[in-house]
Amino acid sequence: SQQGEEDPQALSIQEGENATMNCSYKTSINNLQWYRQNSGRGLVHLILIRSNEREKHSGRLRVTLDTSKKSSSLLITASRAADTASYFCATDQAGTALIFGKGTTLSVSS
Amino acid sequence: DSGVTQTPKHLITATGQRVTLRCSPRSGDLSVYWYQQSLDQGLQFLIQYYNGEERAKGNILERFSAQQFPDLHSELNLSSLELGDSALYFCASSLWDSPRGYTFGSGTRLTVV
Repeated sequence: SQQGEEDPQALSIQEGENATMNCSYKTSINNLQWYRQNSGRGLVHLILIRSNEREKHSGRLRVTLDTSKKSSSLLITASRAADTASYFCATDQAGTALIFGKGTTLSVSS
Repeated sequence: DSGVTQTPKHLITATGQRVTLRCSPRSGDLSVYWYQQSLDQGLQFLIQYYNGEERAKGNILERFSAQQFPDLHSELNLSSLELGDSALYFCASSLWDSPRGYTFGSGTRLTVV
């Protein structure tokens, strides 16, 4: 079953622009994570935000978490062509395996 | 190289057959997770092992089974294969018995014809 749902499903932007992806989930969580997947390859962990945190930064990435709305957002600033990939949110419920959403496909053109 | 090794990378087999996918976790990681990724279902969690023991089960079919060996490598067995089993199968590993960021392998692409 899907826990997280990303929005939009697809996003196309120009290099240098910011990209924002949203994730909504259904049940309470311990933490929420974001992953990137380049076409047909394995997922790469980007960032983890705990349920008691509201915002976290890592390089050009900024993640926010609103547990009252059961939602999170991932902001990629100053996007590059190399950021072209699918981005997934994943939620940790009760310390078991991560449940992934269906992802947002980001296309950054130069 | 993520440190998680999956073999084979590609597999083509006929309906009704049985295959075994293998995963070696990153050095030091005790947990292994199997996921199936298809276009219509997205990433589906199948099963988790921790230090040789089954820890959690997801949407794993009865035709599928897995195990983790004493050296911590894991195998996913898929039997009585159907066309709908065609997908990317990923293995991931993590250090602790709770998700803190998984390391994924590059996957096995299974095609059932």
